[in-house]
Amino acid sequence: KAGVTQTPRYLIKTRGQQVTLSCSPISGHRSVSWYQQTPGQGLQFLFEYFSETQRNKGNFPGRFSGRQFSNSRSEMNVSTLELGDSALYLCASSPTGETEAFFGQGTRLTVV
Amino acid sequence: AQSVTQPDIHITVSEGASLELRCNYSYGATPYLFWYVQSPGQGLQLLLKYFSGDTLVQGIKGFEAEFKRSQSSFNLRKPSVHWSDAAEYFCAVARGATNKLIFGTGTLLAVQP
Repeated sequence: KAGVTQTPRYLIKTRGQQVTLSCSPISGHRSVSWYQQTPGQGLQFLFEYFSETQRNKGNFPGRFSGRQFSNSRSEMNVSTLELGDSALYLCASSPTGETEAFFGQGTRLTVV
Repeated sequence: AQSVTQPDIHITVSEGASLELRCNYSYGATPYLFWYVQSPGQGLQLLLKYFSGDTLVQGIKGFEAEFKRSQSSFNLRKPSVHWSDAAEYFCAVARGATNKLIFGTGTLLAVQP
């Protein structure tokens, strides 16, 4: 089985721009979660989607949003990028969200 | 609020020595507990998990962890460390029907020859 696939792996954006990151979960997994990892704040939960519905949300501003499609693929969008948004963004999938989560390799976003 | 504490930011062990990484959690009920490992620039790989039942759980790569309710701990152990185990290790807690993982700050493991 293929693992969780995140694209792109690396991204450089300018302050004020917006960015969309993509995540393809493991086949059959219906839950997709997103995390932000930074040296200062560590790993922080952004949101979780299950069957196209946002089921949980972390404490991030409204500039961070996401969605999930009928094939369980998910995207997250960050608008009006700030320097502090530079981070490794990790996606994780799970069959239902009630078992272990499997992570992708992440997307490294650099905001300049 | 749920929280996870990994008291050791950085640990160095000799190859072949035993390893114990500490993890304490704060949660009102029995949580789901996980250990993940991350190599530089990579995603997180699940080492093992505890949901219920036997408090000593076996994972991949020769790792094990023991859930101790009385101490709110879930320490990770390995009897003999290999150079390839050098990485950052994260303990995490979650409630049941959600993938909202709360992570500790991580422990960076260095292995010296």
